[in-house]
Amino acid sequence: GIQVEQSPPDLILQEGANSTLRCNFSDSVNNLQWFHQNPWGQLINLFYIPSGTKQNGRLSATTVATERYSLLYISSSQTTDSGVYFCASGGRAAGNKLTFGGGTRVLVKP
Amino acid sequence: GAVVSQHPSRVICKSGTSVKIECRSLDFQATTMFWYRQFPKQSLMLMATSNEGSKATYEQGVEKDKFLINHASLTLSTLTVTSAHPEDSSFYICSALSYHRPYEQYFGPGTRLTVT
Repeated sequence: GIQVEQSPPDLILQEGANSTLRCNFSDSVNNLQWFHQNPWGQLINLFYIPSGTKQNGRLSATTVATERYSLLYISSSQTTDSGVYFCASGGRAAGNKLTFGGGTRVLVKP
Repeated sequence: GAVVSQHPSRVICKSGTSVKIECRSLDFQATTMFWYRQFPKQSLMLMATSNEGSKATYEQGVEKDKFLINHASLTLSTLTVTSAHPEDSSFYICSALSYHRPYEQYFGPGTRLTVT
């Protein structure tokens, strides 16, 4: 099945800093989602982005499907951005199933 | 829109007993629901795919007789952990797909199961 790798595994930021999280996937995909898992465990949908670029406030994401990677940008980070960021992908053969990456654990310090 | 609930949010049970977890799509009809398991500081692992009115499809290595899944309606799927043991303690999360957005999964808040 499809493999999904995220980097870096951990990230410590000073409040106000910008950062880029990366997600590599091993095969062509028809689904790529980014999530933020808050300290209570809830996964919050950030982007559904199998290709192209999207922006939502201080967050934006870009997926280059032909090169099999996606990037999540966090600008002007805030302490509330802390948590684990997951990307998840589904290949064409997998139907609607998602394979999750290992996550990037982000800590934003005041 | 696209709200998914789970009940209970937290449950403690004794070894050997069974526990049922409910997953509901509150404002949409779910063609498909998924069940995941997450251990501390790890990623989510898909356990099974649940389609309304049909048998669930389990991932390799997941015991279907231990983790019973029922998808009785377009808004409700249940996961029953039978004869629970301490190693079944985990965070269980469901997700759902809607007719209108068939590729984007929406997740419930999770259920933390502790087996003593």
